[in-house]
Amino acid sequence: EAGVAQSPRYKIIEKRQSVAFWCNPISGHATLYWYQQILGQGPKLLIQFQNNGVVDDSQLPKDRFSAERLKGVDSTLKIQPAKLEDSAVYLCASMKETSGIYEQFFGPGTRLTVL
Amino acid sequence: QKEVEQNSGPLSVPEGAIASLNCTYSDRGSQSFFWYRQYSGKSPELIMFIYSNGDKEDGRFTAQLNKASQYVSLLIRDSQPSDSATYLCAVNRAGYSTLTFGKGTMLLVSP
Repeated sequence: EAGVAQSPRYKIIEKRQSVAFWCNPISGHATLYWYQQILGQGPKLLIQFQNNGVVDDSQLPKDRFSAERLKGVDSTLKIQPAKLEDSAVYLCASMKETSGIYEQFFGPGTRLTVL
Repeated sequence: QKEVEQNSGPLSVPEGAIASLNCTYSDRGSQSFFWYRQYSGKSPELIMFIYSNGDKEDGRFTAQLNKASQYVSLLIRDSQPSDSATYLCAVNRAGYSTLTFGKGTMLLVSP
C-alpha cells in the first residue's frame, strides 16, 4: 500500500512570496489533515478535510493560508504572502478508522524556509 | 486550551536499558492515546496506541495508560541506538479524530 505523498520536499522562498504544497493521501482514506511543525515543537493542526469538505480549520491563519481538496482526494495548501515565521515543515496526514480508533499516517513533509 | 505535556529531554539511556517516556494531558474527555516516533528530518511514524487503562505491549514497546491520573507512558525495553529519536505523544477526544500533540521527548541511546 502506497503511503501519503507530498511535494515538493523542500522549498525556499523570500518573504511576501507565495507557495503551494501538494498532498495525495493513502488510497481510500477519506480524511486528510495538514499540520505545521515548527522546529522543536509537535505538529499543530491547520485544517482537516472529510472527503472534499472542511471539518476543522479553526487554527488556519485564513488571512494568508488557504487549502482545498476539490475532488476529495488530492489537496493543496497555499501560503500567500509568506512571513518569516511560516518557516516550518508542513505535514500532510490521512486517517484510517477502525472500531472507533483513528490512526493517522503522515507523509514525508515539505520543509519550507522563508528568507 | 487542551494541552499535552512532555519533558523535552534529551533522555539518555545506555544500550540494553529500559527507556521510560512520559506524557500528561489536561482534557478528561481524551479517548485515545498515540505514540509516534520521529527521526531527525523525517515525518512522525505511528508506533502504537492505547485507549484502555492498563498496559498494552507490542514487541519491545509497552504503552501504559492511567486515565484517573491523566498520564500515559511508553516503555522501550532493550533500547537500541536505532531507537534514538523524538517520541511524540498525541491524544484525541471521544468522537473526534483530530490529534493534539505534545512537543516530544528526545531519546538518545548510547552504544
